[in-house]
Amino acid sequence: DVKVTQSSRYLVKRTGEKVFLECVQDMDHENMFWYRQDPGLGLRLIYFSYDVKMKEKGDIPEGYSVSREKKERFSLILESASTNQTSMYLCASSWGVQGSYEQYFGPGTRLTVT
Amino acid sequence: AQTVTQSQPEMSVQEAETVTLSCTYDTSESNYYLFWYKQPPSRQMILVIRQEAYKQQNATENRFSVNFQKAAKSFSLKISDSQLGDTAMYFCARSTSGTYKYIFGTGTRLKVLA
Repeated sequence: DVKVTQSSRYLVKRTGEKVFLECVQDMDHENMFWYRQDPGLGLRLIYFSYDVKMKEKGDIPEGYSVSREKKERFSLILESASTNQTSMYLCASSWGVQGSYEQYFGPGTRLTVT
Repeated sequence: AQTVTQSQPEMSVQEAETVTLSCTYDTSESNYYLFWYKQPPSRQMILVIRQEAYKQQNATENRFSVNFQKAAKSFSLKISDSQLGDTAMYFCARSTSGTYKYIFGTGTRLKVLA
């Protein structure tokens, strides 16, 4: 079974802190994604990566950055956390090109910024 | 704009009955992939069913089936013999040609009643 793990299920941070969310997948998937999930808004893509060291902005990249130094690991960084970044963050991975295959999701990290 | 619309924010169904969740989308592409994902309360999102747009035949997975109407850009999910374990948020998604991105709807919260 494909397994996608995220470093924390729940995280509480203060405004202005630098926050790291880590995601690891164990199925050698080329593609990895970070989404945020908010009620009534569905899943919104923050960043994705289709290869090591390659990244592309999604629909809402402002305030976030990412790092992918190894194929299995994709990190989301909040450079200076703000209260409007309080949300559920989902990591996902997939293989293949151009969305032909399904994504596998991690359990999510519920981040609260106070 | 590329959108996926789920017009039913919440639904409920009695155990053992059938329910249909609607999904419509906007695209000018001829080939793409459509997905239904299930997110049970506090659990990971998982794939329910996948449909390739160039295939006429509707996909089926056990009690789950889709009604794919390509011309109408409609992709509804039918759950037969509903079970308590089907209680979840359901997301419709589609791939985007030429990119690695997926577009998600805002979700339908389904509650199966005993």
